[in-house]
Amino acid sequence: GDSVTQMEGPVTLSEEAFLTINCTYTATGYPSLFWYVQYPGEGLQLLLKATKADDKGSNKGFEATYRKETTSFHLEKGSVQVSDSAVYFCSTGGFKTIFGAGTRLFVKA
Amino acid sequence: EAGVAQSPRYKIIEKRQSVAFWCNPISGHATLYWYQQILGQGPKLLIQFQNNGVVDDSQLPKDRFSAERLKGVDSTLKIQPAKLEDSAVYLCASSLEISGYGYTFGSGTRLTVV
Repeated sequence: GDSVTQMEGPVTLSEEAFLTINCTYTATGYPSLFWYVQYPGEGLQLLLKATKADDKGSNKGFEATYRKETTSFHLEKGSVQVSDSAVYFCSTGGFKTIFGAGTRLFVKA
Repeated sequence: EAGVAQSPRYKIIEKRQSVAFWCNPISGHATLYWYQQILGQGPKLLIQFQNNGVVDDSQLPKDRFSAERLKGVDSTLKIQPAKLEDSAVYLCASSLEISGYGYTFGSGTRLTVV
């Protein structure tokens, strides 16, 4: 069946460091792909999305590119801030949405 | 626009008791979802509605969980009787349609079963 695999956390970085959170998926066809962010005590918020191969989603300095050949959708940010500390979830879209287990990010000042 | 509203925010019950959660989706969103998020895990879909019809409830433990969406707007999720392993955050989400638009989530209800 469909699945989403994210790199295990927690990921701890210093402020202004470069961030990569890996995400790979298995799915039937070519689903839309999403990244969500969850701050403590809150629900998930849609961060960015890509709907087809080679699309790049971007928002708030975060980017992810839909790579069909490697079935990946890695999340990147060039310079993280303390306020980016949260849990990040990768997911597929379409009729059957599957979420990864989440990757917790800690950013130190 | 107003977000997805959920209540209550927190609930503590004893095992074998019953509990109900309420969700009001974004106006105009036809699709509504209930997810269960156990601590440290990603959300797991319990049930998906399209308007007031059930699209997918394959992972809903139907012996104890039930959900309804009357008139295609608000929804309630009920657990009866609750077990210790039901302790989790219950998230409601809505979307314009079943497709590539992504979801809007509510803040969730944190359930603790003791």
